[in-house]
Amino acid sequence: DIVMTQSPDSLAVSLGERATINCKSSQSVLYSSNNKNYLAWYQQKPGQPPKLLIYWASTRESGVPDRFSGSGSGTDFALTISSLQAEDVAVYYCQQYYTIPPYTFGQGTKLEIK
Amino acid sequence: EVQLVDFGGGLVQPGGSLRLSCAASGFTFTTYCMHWVRQAPGKGLEWVANMKPDGSEQYYVDSVKGRFTISRDNAKNSLYLQMNSLRAEDTAVYYCARGGASRYAPFDIWGQGTMVTVSS
Repeated sequence: DIVMTQSPDSLAVSLGERATINCKSSQSVLYSSNNKNYLAWYQQKPGQPPKLLIYWASTRESGVPDRFSGSGSGTDFALTISSLQAEDVAVYYCQQYYTIPPYTFGQGTKLEIK
Repeated sequence: EVQLVDFGGGLVQPGGSLRLSCAASGFTFTTYCMHWVRQAPGKGLEWVANMKPDGSEQYYVDSVKGRFTISRDNAKNSLYLQMNSLRAEDTAVYYCARGGASRYAPFDIWGQGTMVTVSS
């Protein structure tokens, strides 16, 4: 199974500042035939289900603000919020959908306001 | 509106059974892989099972193999999870989620979740 490891486990950032969450997979999730990374990011606010933010490592889901961006390839990925807003307080998860089953998630990163 | 409504959770004793349901609306159910994902209290997300659009194949996380069965009724736009031989460690919020036409896709629509508590 591919193990997804996020860092840090928690993060406190001031409003308007940049927040970066990292995700590392134990094996590459890049499919060379189509040059796509099978990596997604989700946001989960308290009491709510997860919400898809980013897929194919860097494609923003429809309706997601452009302050959210994804980057990376192979085994190392990042989710960046360019200017943190109060409504971005949440837990963020990365997920691989390349070597399945199982679909595996990172342990989550809790993002708070400093 | 594209929507998933999952229900059927509750309190069950260890060794007991429960059947979860997920009603889909607003999209062509028959063209999507569907998943169950769970989240234990205060913990992260764990994928549980999925089924191909035509119901021909299903896959499970190792910890539920032989105990849980995923199924779907495409005529009713519904997904199910039959859970038998339940254990305390199965206690979690269970979400149904929509995948893609292929298994190799993220989960773009989620139900609100239904709580399953396994306790005596």
